[in-house]
Amino acid sequence: DAGVTQSPTHLIKTRGQQVTLRCSPKSGHDTVSWYQQALGQGPQFIFQYYEEEERQRGNFPDRFSGHQFPNYSSELNVNALLLGDSALYLCASRVGVGNTIYFGEGSWLTVV
Amino acid sequence: DAKTTQPTSMDCAEGRAANLPCNHSTISGNEYVYWYRQIHSQGPQYIIHGLKNNETNEMASLIITEDRKSSTLILPHATLRDTAVYYCIVRVDFGNEKLTFGTGTRLTIIP
Repeated sequence: DAGVTQSPTHLIKTRGQQVTLRCSPKSGHDTVSWYQQALGQGPQFIFQYYEEEERQRGNFPDRFSGHQFPNYSSELNVNALLLGDSALYLCASRVGVGNTIYFGEGSWLTVV
Repeated sequence: DAKTTQPTSMDCAEGRAANLPCNHSTISGNEYVYWYRQIHSQGPQYIIHGLKNNETNEMASLIITEDRKSSTLILPHATLRDTAVYYCIVRVDFGNEKLTFGTGTRLTIIP
């Protein structure tokens, strides 16, 4: 049973560029969330997707957007990258309301 | 979600029980206590959660005080692989997806 999988694991982008990160939830899970973790800090909630719609959003600008596909996989898009967007981006998934949330290993984004 | 307070760091000898405390004095009646850990450069790993009764699984035990204002995560026989940052989180299970992470406790297992 595969857990939450994310790609790519590492990438480097230039300021002003756009990036897309991908996530496949744990088998049987239908809800996906994204978190940003800056170095030395705890993860911060970006948003959650369920039934292909954004259901809840944290305190992140509109440069951060996402999508969920019919197979429950998800993408996180960040436009107009800033140096401060350098972080570990984590995808998490669960099935049903209130059930345990499981995390992937993350995608390390470096903006130069 | 209620705020949690954890010690910044702790050490524990290998083979001994590691007891990690967490204060959540403003917890609401419908909020669960969750514990996750994060080993360096990896994603957070779920450990255990509970509402008001003590819980045990293959990884750890969770002791919640009767007034639910604090809890303790117990790793019964710590190994070097348990060195990680441990996060205590309180969360309403229905209607709120967000996990609010604090700074956690950096647990170091000493050989």
